[in-house]
This record gives sequence, C-alpha cells and structure tokens, in this order.
Amino acid sequence: GQNIDQPTEMTATEGAIVQINCTYQTSGFNGLFWYQQHAGEAPTFLSYNVLDGLEEKGRFSSFLSRSKGYSYLLLKELQMKDSASYLCAVSENFNKFYFGSGTKLNVKP
Amino acid sequence: SAVISQKPSRDICQRGTSLTIQCQVDSQVTMMFWYRQQPGQSLTLIATANQGSEATYESGFVIDKFPISRPNLTFSTLTVSNMSPEDSSIYLCSTRTSSYNEQFFGPGTRLTVL
Repeated sequence: GQNIDQPTEMTATEGAIVQINCTYQTSGFNGLFWYQQHAGEAPTFLSYNVLDGLEEKGRFSSFLSRSKGYSYLLLKELQMKDSASYLCAVSENFNKFYFGSGTKLNVKP
Repeated sequence: SAVISQKPSRDICQRGTSLTIQCQVDSQVTMMFWYRQQPGQSLTLIATANQGSEATYESGFVIDKFPISRPNLTFSTLTVSNMSPEDSSIYLCSTRTSSYNEQFFGPGTRLTVL
C-alpha cells in the first residue's frame, strides 16, 4: 500500500514563495510526480523526480529525498492563476500512480 | 505526449442503471488507467487496463461493478454498473509515456446518479 500525505490547504500572497510538502511510504518506488488541478479540470503534469535533489522548471521547483520519503513543490513569484489543487503522486513498479489527497492553494492579492 | 478524449463528458443517470465511458488516445499505448475522483477529493486508481489481458483492479474495486474493455492499443471503456448515488464522481482515463515519466489524463466524465 501507499501512505501519501500532504497538507489539506494553504494560503499565500501574490508574489510570494510557497512550499508544499509531501511525505510517502511505498514499495517499488520509481518516481514522484507533482500535478496541478484547477477546479473542474483534469490534472496537468508539473514535475517529476526520481533521483534525490532539486529539479527546477521556471517558477516551479520540486525536491526529492528518497531516504526520507519526502518531497516538496516550491512555487515562486506566486500569481493568482496558481490558485489550484496540487497533487503529489508516487509511481510504483513502473505500472501505477498513487495520488495524495491534494493541497488546495489559495493565492490572495 | 498523448491526447486523450472521453465520452460522455457528463451524464445524469438513474439509480440501478449502467453507464459506459469511452476513452480514446491519439497514439498507441501499452497501459491505460481508470481513476475516480469524488467531490473534493483526490484521484483513486480503479484499475489498470492492458490490451489483450484482463484489467487489474485495485483493492475495493471489482470487475462486476466496473467492467473494463481494452480491445486495442488506443481505446478503452469503463462501465459503471448498477449505479447508486455513491457512484457520483468524476471518472478519468489516463495513460503514460513510453519513458514512464509523465502521465496524461483525459478531461474526465462527470457522473451524477440520482
């Protein structure tokens, strides 16, 4: 089984930086993914980590520590359009994705 | 990348009936996945559908309730059988790239059961 935990909700200010944490317990780990999901829409891919360290992609960065079962998504220079749910997902044995409960991010002016 | 379409986009159904959701991918893919997302919650994997073999179901999901077909490498269907209001949810079809490092989702089917 998988235990994937993320905070339920976070609030941040436009222009600021926010870090969304994710912890997991799984077997056959072969990658951790972050997805963004706006209300009423399908999830869209943000980032992928399979090795320890930081992956940077524009305003978004994702970090992974496999020994700690820990990842975070860092969003810089927040914009109002970043208000969405952010889903942490773990891939097992190249076959399946399991999703955390998602973190709803509210960006305020 | 892969472009995925689903039909219907939404439906309202009566208790006890069944609905079949279609998923079409614009390229040949080995694995297709069906997820459920209940209101305000994250995605739950229902089953993995591989072409030429029976679907593999996750704990809590059974073939009699959610029969799946996978007739070829670009298409799959999920049937929600004998529906009850608890089946009201968004059902999403998904697939992965050949390099396994990205998973694409269809737009989802919003199902309401009265």
